[in-house]
Amino acid sequence: DAKTTQPPSMDCAEGRAANLPCNHSTISGNEYVYWYRQIHSQGPQYIIHGLKNNETNEMASLIITEDRKSSTLILPHATLRDTAVYYCIVRVVNSGGYQKVTFGIGTKLQVIP
Amino acid sequence: GAVVSQHPSRVICKSGTSVKIECRSLDFQATTMFWYRQFPKQSLMLMATSNEGSKATYEQGVEKDKFLINHASLTLSTLTVTSAHPEDSSFYICSAPPGKGIQGALHFGNGTRLTVT
Repeated sequence: DAKTTQPPSMDCAEGRAANLPCNHSTISGNEYVYWYRQIHSQGPQYIIHGLKNNETNEMASLIITEDRKSSTLILPHATLRDTAVYYCIVRVVNSGGYQKVTFGIGTKLQVIP
Repeated sequence: GAVVSQHPSRVICKSGTSVKIECRSLDFQATTMFWYRQFPKQSLMLMATSNEGSKATYEQGVEKDKFLINHASLTLSTLTVTSAHPEDSSFYICSAPPGKGIQGALHFGNGTRLTVT
């Protein structure tokens, strides 16, 4: 799996958009970008994923640069409940099975009232 | 959506005893499950991959005789911490993909907080 780099921590004011960057400059053409988050003392929660097009769901938007070397997770209106550690992961998904997923240190997002 | 149930959520045991943690996929079949361990203020560390009907694959540095994994059915994987010691105190999390070849994400249990006294 390609290595990712994320800032260790970020703050965001409640109600504002939270933009979490991720650098994955060595990503391969068949690797997807996945985002998870982990609220304290809980299991990680899947947020969104994409290959090269921008994606949006009810939780967030994912913006992937044209060269795919970086991406940004956007929480459009951050709430206090969005305070968590956010993990960016890149990996291959193939029909031959499911590869293991390894986590980096992630970004600790603190939403401030 | 796919749900992974992990039990117990919290356990306290005495040093030298064994503890079993169960991980169930509730509405899908999981031929593969992953077990992670997380120490305070650290990221998740993959311990092993369990495969239904075959032996688990352990990551480097993880003692397979201490952390016994059994994936007996398509919906259940168990992790047994044998002869637990205080240094085994940690947050253990299981996860499973929703299906082979599906472009989906891993689904995680809510974790088990193990405290060994």
